[in-house]
Amino acid sequence: DIQMTQSPSSLSASVGDRVTITCRASQGIKNDLGWYQQKPGKAPKRLIYAASSLQSGVPSRFSGSASGTEFTLTISNLQPEDFATYYCLQHNTYPLTFGGGTKVEIK
Amino acid sequence: QVQLQESGPGLVKPSQTLSLTCTVSGASISSGGYYWSWIRQRPGKGLEWIGYISDSGSTYYNPSLKSRVIQSVDMSKNQFSLKLLSVTAADTAMYYCTRYDCRGTSCYPFDPWGQGTLVTVSS
Repeated sequence: DIQMTQSPSSLSASVGDRVTITCRASQGIKNDLGWYQQKPGKAPKRLIYAASSLQSGVPSRFSGSASGTEFTLTISNLQPEDFATYYCLQHNTYPLTFGGGTKVEIK
Repeated sequence: QVQLQESGPGLVKPSQTLSLTCTVSGASISSGGYYWSWIRQRPGKGLEWIGYISDSGSTYYNPSLKSRVIQSVDMSKNQFSLKLLSVTAADTAMYYCTRYDCRGTSCYPFDPWGQGTLVTVSS
């Protein structure tokens, strides 16, 4: 299986901050990566697909980028509603695998 | 707008079979190009993809669960289902159904998701 190493596992940030979350794949996955946001008690919601394409309806403060096997989710100007857990997902090779998650908490 | 809704027992006894159904509205399962998937999340843990079934009935199961998983689809009811055999406490989790879009040359998982259903394995 492809391992997705996500970091950090948690972070504290303030409203207005710029936040960066990283996922590293154990092997090449092209740009077959998505980012998901999960709020407590809710199902995950897709934010980014194909590494850098913004899901319709998702605020433009969310962005994704890729460099080799390293993928980054950036949230610029963090808003109160952005405090949640974020997961990456690789869909290049079966079985599809998620990163371990990053919990973004209020500082 | 496509919506998915899971249903099934919230409590299953050890060694028995967990059975869940996902009802799709706003789209037809038979429209083709989609892989209808299940994902689970153990309490306080991350996400695990269980597998998918297509409208033609082709399946893929995660090797970690392959020996115990059966998925099926009912076009007449616009539903797809999950059976997980011989459950143990380790199968206690929130189970989500979702759609995996493979209509084009590339595939794009997972959107939208059902709200999830909690299944507890306990005697």
